[in-house]
Amino acid sequence: GAVVSQHPSWVICKSGTSVKIECRSLDFQATTMFWYRQFPKQSLMLMATSNEGSKATYEQGVEKDKFLINHASLTLSTLTVTSAHPEDSSFYICSARGPETQYFGPGTRLLVL
Amino acid sequence: KQEVTQIPAALSVPEGENLVLNCSFTDSAIYNLQWFRQDPGKGLTSLLLIQSSQREQTSGRLNASLDKSSGRSTLYIAASQPGDSATYLCAVPSGGSYIPTFGRGTSLIVHP
Repeated sequence: GAVVSQHPSWVICKSGTSVKIECRSLDFQATTMFWYRQFPKQSLMLMATSNEGSKATYEQGVEKDKFLINHASLTLSTLTVTSAHPEDSSFYICSARGPETQYFGPGTRLLVL
Repeated sequence: KQEVTQIPAALSVPEGENLVLNCSFTDSAIYNLQWFRQDPGKGLTSLLLIQSSQREQTSGRLNASLDKSSGRSTLYIAASQPGDSATYLCAVPSGGSYIPTFGRGTSLIVHP
């Protein structure tokens, strides 16, 4: 089946630093990828839709200058959390639109101290 | 906008019981519905994908049904085991879209 990977799986950083998370579709090409955020005991909330070769589409309430998304190739999308603060600590999950449905990555846990 | 509700929010049962998890959605013009499992601190594991033209899907001890007209899906787990303990998420796209909206999940604990 289609596989999506994320790197890193977890990251701890100091407040004010920027963190980049990669999402890769390993055995299929994805013109569209998605970024979700999940707070403890909450469901997944869509942050943005990443389109290869064009600007990402952000959901209402998501700061595009804080969460930079780049989808430079058909197998890679990156999410950069700029000037991270403790309230950005969360579980970030990406997905890629594949042959039948969306396929989800294993997630990246971010802890900002 | 699609709204997805899952009932119950939490469930604790002894090993061996048959379980029913419920998912309801407001917009029935959907392409598919998917059930996921999420272990604590982990990503999503896809369990079953039901296309809009299908009524149910089965995988091992899991069976998921879909009733589009009433906006409901159920996940049936037969002969539950401690290893089934996890959060089960229902994901349904909004009408005309393939982007899923997630329910809040059912947190399941199966104790020996």
